[in-house]
Amino acid sequence: DVKVTQSSRYLVKRTGEKVFLECVQDMDHENMFWYRQDPGLGLRLIYFSYDVKMKEKGDIPEGYSVSREKKERFSLILESASTNQTSMYLCATSYSAGGPNEQFFGPGTRLTVL
Amino acid sequence: AQSVAQPEDQVNVAEGNPLTVKCTYSVSGNPYLFWYVQYPNRGLQFLLKYITGDNLVKGSYGFEAEFNKSQTSFHLKKPSALVSDSALYFCAVRRNYGGATNKLIFGTGTLLAVQP
Repeated sequence: DVKVTQSSRYLVKRTGEKVFLECVQDMDHENMFWYRQDPGLGLRLIYFSYDVKMKEKGDIPEGYSVSREKKERFSLILESASTNQTSMYLCATSYSAGGPNEQFFGPGTRLTVL
Repeated sequence: AQSVAQPEDQVNVAEGNPLTVKCTYSVSGNPYLFWYVQYPNRGLQFLLKYITGDNLVKGSYGFEAEFNKSQTSFHLKKPSALVSDSALYFCAVRRNYGGATNKLIFGTGTLLAVQP
């Protein structure tokens, strides 16, 4: 079974803090994704990585950056957290070969910015 | 532009009755469609996908989905609902550009409530 883990289930931060969300997968997947989930808006893609050190902006990258130094780990960084970044953050992974391939999701991190 | 629509925010059904959760899509090229389920405070779980071939796709937990090209729909169905099916359901379509990246566009989700 694919396992995707996220560093925290719940996180509370202050406005202006730098926030790191970590995602680790154990299935050697090339593709990794960061989404945010908000009621009524579904899932929106923040950033995508298709290989180590490779990244692409998604639909809502403003205020976020990412890092992928190792294949199994994909980090989402909020450079200066703001209250409008309060949300559920979901990490996902998938194979790139063949396809279209389903994505496998982590349990999510519910971030509250005060 | 590619998009996915889930026209119902919530679907209510009695246990034992059939259920349908609706999804329509708009893509250029061949549609590759997915259904996911999210239980409370959990990540999304893959249910099924349509790539090509038979219009009726069978998936996990007794769910199936019917692809209808003329109506651009991919409705999720189950013959007999269980209370444990109560969850948030997302339809998604793969973005058809930029190579095999498997990037998806998700709908806004439909909350399924199954009453005992």
